[in-house]
Amino acid sequence: EPEVTQTPSHQVTQMGQEVILRCVPISNHLYFYWYRQILGQKVEFLVSFYNNEISEKSEIFDDQFSVERPDGSNFTLKIRSTKLEDSAMYFCASSLGTGGFEQYFGPGTRLTVT
Amino acid sequence: TQLLEQSPQFLSIQEGENLTVYCNSSSVFSSLQWYRQEPGEGPVLLVTVVTGGEVKKLKRLTFQFGDARKDSSLHITAAQPGDTGLYLCAGGGNTPLVFGKGTRLSVIA
Repeated sequence: EPEVTQTPSHQVTQMGQEVILRCVPISNHLYFYWYRQILGQKVEFLVSFYNNEISEKSEIFDDQFSVERPDGSNFTLKIRSTKLEDSAMYFCASSLGTGGFEQYFGPGTRLTVT
Repeated sequence: TQLLEQSPQFLSIQEGENLTVYCNSSSVFSSLQWYRQEPGEGPVLLVTVVTGGEVKKLKRLTFQFGDARKDSSLHITAAQPGDTGLYLCAGGGNTPLVFGKGTRLSVIA
């Protein structure tokens, strides 16, 4: 069964460093998303991506964040200068469409900023 | 801002008991999805409901979408220890998913 994959599973970085989180969405899906979940809190939307551009972003997704689909399979989230409060689980998700289409989530990357 | 409230927050029951958890909002959603999440893992999709009043069954799990598409419930019949986990509801449509905080279920053998 097709699934969303994410690498790495765990990333430890120092404050101020850049990190890139990688995702491979389900191959025939057209919409891609990043969510994050701070420990003990609910899953929060960061950004959605369709047709090689950002379609929607939340207030959390400020200038420190960027997304890219560098080739036909990968979808990346870059944090330019990490802060302590960026420590969280980051989930990638993909869907065939919007308006009722299911979103399938990857296993997540645990980002720890020290 | 769309919010989803889930209740109860925690639920501990004996194996074989039935239970219902709830997901409520003041907003209308085009669709509502239920996920189950294990510690340190991503949410795993259980079901999507899109029509007001819709009922879907997945083995011992029954999901219902409210007539006004503002609320949903998950009923588990004869709970088993394998049902233990965090159950999340998420509302969506043409907007990104909005998640509730979840109901943490513990089924004791």
